[in-house]
Amino acid sequence: EVQLVESGGGLVQPGRSMKLSCAASGFTFNNYDMAWVCQAPKKGLEWVATISYDGSSTYYRDSVKGRFTISRDNAKSTLYLQMDSLRSEDTATYYCARPAYQGVMDAWGQGASVTVSS
Amino acid sequence: DIVLTQSPALAVSLGQRATISCRASQSVSISRYNLMHWYQQKPGQQPKLLIYRASNLASGIPARFSGSGSGTDFTLTINPVQADDIATYYCQQSRESPPWTFGGGTKLELK
Repeated sequence: EVQLVESGGGLVQPGRSMKLSCAASGFTFNNYDMAWVCQAPKKGLEWVATISYDGSSTYYRDSVKGRFTISRDNAKSTLYLQMDSLRSEDTATYYCARPAYQGVMDAWGQGASVTVSS
Repeated sequence: DIVLTQSPALAVSLGQRATISCRASQSVSISRYNLMHWYQQKPGQQPKLLIYRASNLASGIPARFSGSGSGTDFTLTINPVQADDIATYYCQQSRESPPWTFGGGTKLELK
């Protein structure tokens, strides 16, 4: 069974940093690109970032470029999202997702809640 | 960026047909592939893939869900609607990357 389990969320002050992790199991992690998708409270879904299966390519939405870094450790089957210079508008639930083919996200984690507030 | 537009809400009676639409600001089709996908999200839960490439049912999804469309206009149909289907439905395009974009979601409500 494919499982994605996020961790590392919580309350953080504006301007500070936070790192999310996503532990994957039930599939060959290093065969798949991976992505982060966020959802602000009572809002819709927004793609945040994608990393290629080998980590050689990364893509970000404009609003997080230069502040967020997506990375992965294939030996540990773990995906990361380093979030720096956090803003109140980054407050959201962050989902780890597997874009299995042609951008189809066929597996999702349960989400990690991040609240940016003083 | 490709903008996807969905109606915010749809009220339907149990046992009836629900039709949820998604319109893209430009074509999301490449040759024979229509790169539009549908997800269901219930309150407090993560999204779940329902339909991929416009009309293909994801694994484990009941046959009362179906999808259609091409180019810029797509439809998710639920027939008949059951109580368990009350949720918010999102379309997502992967024709342009980055960014992948989602519609604003359609909340399916009981009439």
